[in-house]
Amino acid sequence: ILNVEQSPQSLHVQEGDSTNFTCSFPSSNFYALHWYRWETAKSPEALFVMTLNGDEKKKGRISATLNTKEGYSYLYIKGSQPEDSATYLCALAGGYQKVTFGTGTKLQVIP
Amino acid sequence: NAGVTQTPKFQVLKTGQSMTLQCAQDMNHEYMSWYRQDPGMGLRLIHYSVGAGITDQGEVPNGYNVSRSTTEDFPLRLLSAAPSQTSVYFCASHKGPSGNTIYFGEGSWLTVV
Repeated sequence: ILNVEQSPQSLHVQEGDSTNFTCSFPSSNFYALHWYRWETAKSPEALFVMTLNGDEKKKGRISATLNTKEGYSYLYIKGSQPEDSATYLCALAGGYQKVTFGTGTKLQVIP
Repeated sequence: NAGVTQTPKFQVLKTGQSMTLQCAQDMNHEYMSWYRQDPGMGLRLIHYSVGAGITDQGEVPNGYNVSRSTTEDFPLRLLSAAPSQTSVYFCASHKGPSGNTIYFGEGSWLTVV
């Protein structure tokens, strides 16, 4: 079982603030790194899938970077809005079908 | 635009009862999985399948059975429900190996009393 750690566990920010969270994983067991956005009572929705060291991906105000050598990924949200409130999950694909999820970072954006 | 469909959405079971959570996907994905989500824990893999007729255990398989007779369907059976199986269950599918986007069903909230 791969150990995927996310920090912080929860976060409250004011509307308009930028924020970021971290996903750490064992660098020796890496195939792909996924980020998902999960709203309460809904299913997780894919944000990014990254496979290459140094990869950077962006979708609107949300972006992510990946460092496979040191085993971490950052998710950034620029100018947080109340609709960004959700739990952000990262998942490590260690090859074939084994996908291990972190416990998530719960973001609350205060209007 | 169905994607991944799982039923039922809510279920209350008595200890010892059996039931099946249904999951179907219409994207022709080879890979299908069942996860459970508990407070303070990430999504934990119960069972998965890499194609029709092929299944394997995940991280927390005890008390659950699966089968994959078709590409589309991947039911999860609780053999004799226990209170420890109270959880939210998600079915998921994706194409090819695990570097591809995973698509989730809307979740099934199960309470065992």
